[in-house]
Amino acid sequence: SQTIHQWPATLVQPVGSPLSLECTVEGTSNPNLYWYRQAAGRGLQLLFYSVGIGQISSEVPQNLSASRPQDRQFILSSKKLLLSDSGFYLCAWSSPSYEQYFGPGTRLTVT
Amino acid sequence: AQTVTQSQPEMSVQEAETVTLSCTYDTSENNYYLFWYKQPPSRQMILVIRQEAYKQQNATENRFSVNFQKAAKSFSLKISDSQLGDTAMYFCAFYAEGTYKYIFGTGTRLKVLA
Repeated sequence: SQTIHQWPATLVQPVGSPLSLECTVEGTSNPNLYWYRQAAGRGLQLLFYSVGIGQISSEVPQNLSASRPQDRQFILSSKKLLLSDSGFYLCAWSSPSYEQYFGPGTRLTVT
Repeated sequence: AQTVTQSQPEMSVQEAETVTLSCTYDTSENNYYLFWYKQPPSRQMILVIRQEAYKQQNATENRFSVNFQKAAKSFSLKISDSQLGDTAMYFCAFYAEGTYKYIFGTGTRLKVLA
């Protein structure tokens, strides 16, 4: 069966510091991968998606970037965090039947 | 562009009762899929139910069922025999084939009362 991992679960970082969130998927190959951000009590904002290694599509212009160095690995990064980057970050993969499955999320607080 | 609207920010229901959550969407696509996701306080997003637009039959998963009205672009979720564990945010989502992007509604916070 497929599983999706995200780490870290919680992160507190000062403004201006770098960021690296990692997501890995097991039990499937060449999945479509997604990064979302969710503000408290709000819906999901699509940040990036990837349909293959090295292929990244950005949905929101910001100081975040994403990379897919391996088939089942998706990384969200920033060189310098802003206060507005605080939120709950979710990684997801989609099945061939278009169902999306989500990781447990990372709660990021920028101080 | 596709949009998904959930017009009920909050709802409550008594345990064992039935509740219906509303979702409407707008699209010009023909091949698409609709989903309901549940997000409990743990914030783990859980797929509840899925509906293919080309299927007229409404999807059902145990106590969860949908009322899919394609012409009206409506996709409501019915929860029967509500349980305390159903307390969560519920998100409606839309996916059009070939776009790779999922569009989520703003969510409905459901509270099941003992």
